[in-house]
Amino acid sequence: NAGVTQTPKFRVLKTGQSMTLLCAQDMNHEYMYWYRQDPGMGLRLIHYSVGEGTTAKGEVPDGYNVSRLKKQNFLLGLESAAPSQTSVYFCASSYSTGAATSYEQYFGPGTRLTVT
Amino acid sequence: AQKITQTQPGMFVQEKEAVTLDCTYDTSDPSYGLFWYKQPSSGEMIFLIYQGSYDQQNATEGRYSLNFQKARKSANLVISASQLGDSAMYFCAMRGLDAGGTSYGKLTFGQGTILTVHP
Repeated sequence: NAGVTQTPKFRVLKTGQSMTLLCAQDMNHEYMYWYRQDPGMGLRLIHYSVGEGTTAKGEVPDGYNVSRLKKQNFLLGLESAAPSQTSVYFCASSYSTGAATSYEQYFGPGTRLTVT
Repeated sequence: AQKITQTQPGMFVQEKEAVTLDCTYDTSDPSYGLFWYKQPSSGEMIFLIYQGSYDQQNATEGRYSLNFQKARKSANLVISASQLGDSAMYFCAMRGLDAGGTSYGKLTFGQGTILTVHP
């Protein structure tokens, strides 16, 4: 049981390049999330998905796209990377919550992305 | 909109002493949950403790307890008997309800507090 895994762990991009971050979970969770962490700002939600084939925007979605073609995978794409997207990216997953608020999110180890 | 505020950028505590990390929140949701996560220097996010807005008692998990004061909108984390391994960044987070009364599980995080435990 690996939990939540992220690929790659580190990446350096040049401005304008594209890349895809892969998140995989083996806990059969319905909900998945992508956050970014910047110094002094905590984690901010980029996009999320409440089930296979569904995605929605979070707090800071601009410049990112996502896809959830399989329940266990959630992909985050940068079409044209910018230095402002230098950050640590975390994927997370949780059980579907309905009206409950108690289910914790399980986080991946993070991807450190630098855009030069 | 939901907001979490952690006003202590950094805190220091002596080993074996207790420390309180502050967290205040703002929400208009009728039901919500409050979480604390620990992020050591290795970077992973570790879930520590959860408090539901309708829970009558303060949550406890081992050396961690959550001092929940609903009227004051505060959810402070108390770590008793601090250990060197407690040195880390600590995040307070909140999950509320979307329109329609469903929680899609989204978390709103505070800015974090760096805790340093001195021997």
